[in-house]
Amino acid sequence: DAGVIQSPRHEVTEMGQEVTLRCKPISGHNSLFWYRQTMMRGLELLIYFNNNVPIDDSGMPEDRFSAKMPNASFSTLKIQPSEPRDSAVYFCASRPPGSGTGELFFGEGSRLTVL
Amino acid sequence: GDSVTQMEGPVTLSEEAFLTINCTYTATGYPSLFWYVQYPGEGLQLLLKATKADDKGSNKGFEATYRKETTSFHLEKGSVQVSDSAVYFCALRAGSYQLTFGKGTKLSVIP
Repeated sequence: DAGVIQSPRHEVTEMGQEVTLRCKPISGHNSLFWYRQTMMRGLELLIYFNNNVPIDDSGMPEDRFSAKMPNASFSTLKIQPSEPRDSAVYFCASRPPGSGTGELFFGEGSRLTVL
Repeated sequence: GDSVTQMEGPVTLSEEAFLTINCTYTATGYPSLFWYVQYPGEGLQLLLKATKADDKGSNKGFEATYRKETTSFHLEKGSVQVSDSAVYFCALRAGSYQLTFGKGTKLSVIP
């Protein structure tokens, strides 16, 4: 079975450019999470969707960040304009409905470098 | 709020050594507890979990016991291998939708 699929795996861009990261959750999963991982701050939850609806976006750092989930099989995280401090690994994770213990299934991440 | 504290790394061990990575937590209610592992260049994957007090989670020779009295979930392995080199994350879920992660402990195993 396919896991969570993220693209691109690596992105190098210049400050001020728009960056779009993509995620395809596991089929049948109805919860989707975007995390950011940095050496300094560890794993930070950015936003959580349930049934395609954003439930909690309190972790989104600022207005430059936006996320969408137009359907159950696709989500995007956009940064516009990008800044060097946005350099990090961005993970998407999904979870099936009725998951009592809350296990998350992670993608392999998108490593973003903003020059 | 909920929080997870795990030992700072990095931890460097020789092959076949005993491993302990400490994890303590603060949470309301009765959380579920997890250990995730992240191999180089990959995403996090669930290693083991425990959902109630005194439960022991185990997988791939790793184990951890849910200790409510000490609010701990320490990860142990009796004999580590080079292939166990990775970053290990302790996490909890306490009634909300999200997992709260520790900062991770990097383990390096040398032959």
